Amino acid sequence: AQRVTQPEKLLSVFKGAPVELKCNYSYSGSPELFWYVQYSRQRLQLLLRHISRESIKGFTADLNKGETSFHLKKPFAQEEDSAMYYCALNSGGSNYKLTFGKGTLLTVNP
Amino acid sequence: DAGVIQSPRHEVTEMGQEVTLRCKPISGHDYLFWYRQTMMRGLELLIYFNNNVPIDDSGMPEDRFSAKMPNASFSTLKIQPSEPRDSAVYFCASSPGQGYTGELFFGEGSRLTVL
Repeated sequence: AQRVTQPEKLLSVFKGAPVELKCNYSYSGSPELFWYVQYSRQRLQLLLRHISRESIKGFTADLNKGETSFHLKKPFAQEEDSAMYYCALNSGGSNYKLTFGKGTLLTVNP
Repeated sequence: DAGVIQSPRHEVTEMGQEVTLRCKPISGHDYLFWYRQTMMRGLELLIYFNNNVPIDDSGMPEDRFSAKMPNASFSTLKIQPSEPRDSAVYFCASSPGQGYTGELFFGEGSRLTVL
């Protein structure tokens, strides 16, 4: 069974500080990992996917298969980054089912 | 496109009543998903459809829950009878079949309160 764990329910940092949102997964195959974000009063939306190896809004995430982790990082947090962040896993191939973690609420203080 | 449209946005009902949540996916999307969000359990997949056919309903909590997709532009999630523990935000999401990249397009959610 696939499982996604986000150990921190709440994370609070100051503006300009580095931020790391942790995500660990459990899956025996080759998963696809994603980060989704939900800003206040907005829809849940895709932030980034590991296969793209892209940086979105200054965020990056590296898939570490050895540690089964996909932590989301940003070197300098901004107040507008305050949101709920969800890590998600897809078992790949033709499987369209996304399993989400419970989410981490990030608050960036001025 | 207005995106995925859900209704009602808010529903307050009493225990034992029937609740019907509605979803209109993005036109042309082949996949439709129903998720439930609670503080304790986060986002849970209830069921998903491909071309109007239910593919995986293993997340549906119990027989009180049912979902249908009579055509490509409409789906319902029904709870009968409702219970207080069903209180949650229910999200509908859709995604294209071809060229799938793992991106789901979510609606704004239906917040259900069962008293």
